[in-house]
Amino acid sequence: DGGITQSPKYLFRKEGQNVTLSCEQNLNHDAMYWYRQDPGQGLRLIYYSQIVNDFQKGDIAEGYSVSREKKESFPLTVTSAQKNPTAFYLCASTPDPRAVFLYGYTFGSGTRLTVV
Amino acid sequence: AQSVAQPEDQVNVAEGNPLTVKCTYSVSGNPYLFWYVQYPNRGLQFLLKYITGDNLVKGSYGFEAEFNKSQTSFHLKKPSALVSDSALYFCAVREEGNTGKLIFGQGTTLQVKP
Repeated sequence: DGGITQSPKYLFRKEGQNVTLSCEQNLNHDAMYWYRQDPGQGLRLIYYSQIVNDFQKGDIAEGYSVSREKKESFPLTVTSAQKNPTAFYLCASTPDPRAVFLYGYTFGSGTRLTVV
Repeated sequence: AQSVAQPEDQVNVAEGNPLTVKCTYSVSGNPYLFWYVQYPNRGLQFLLKYITGDNLVKGSYGFEAEFNKSQTSFHLKKPSALVSDSALYFCAVREEGNTGKLIFGQGTTLQVKP
């Protein structure tokens, strides 16, 4: 079955530690997106990539980094510079960013990150 | 700048009654609008979208949405609510340009009581 796989489902981070969240898709989608979800704040865009080997900052990129070396993979690293990383992180993709109005997004099932 | 607002944090409705979850938007060009549903600790699932044409859009699980250009609204509706419809609902609008970005509202929790 085609889809987006996010791992791990739950992740615990110690203060000062970097952690990487995995996002893998087998849909052959060009564009991928990382959102952060906090209660009552909806989804906020962290980073996005319209095509392999290219990515751009979203609205809340500080303290995060990404790479897009392969079309299928768009990992998100939460660095120690992110002061409040506890949140639910969602990865999404769409076949062609120019046609998102036709396809919308396919979402992964999310990773819940907690600082301990 | 484009934006989406969901004015209600929570909507409560009795099972079998009609439900409405409200969404208003602000865009400078043509609005491309979406509704998604999220169950606890899961990703978002697509319900329906508006591109153009008929103002009443039908989607998954018996949901529909009414597009109203003059009121810049895109309210989600269902004629008869089920307890299993209880979830978090998000309205979204496509950001203008070719980035593929969707702008999401803050979400509305729907609680359907037996």
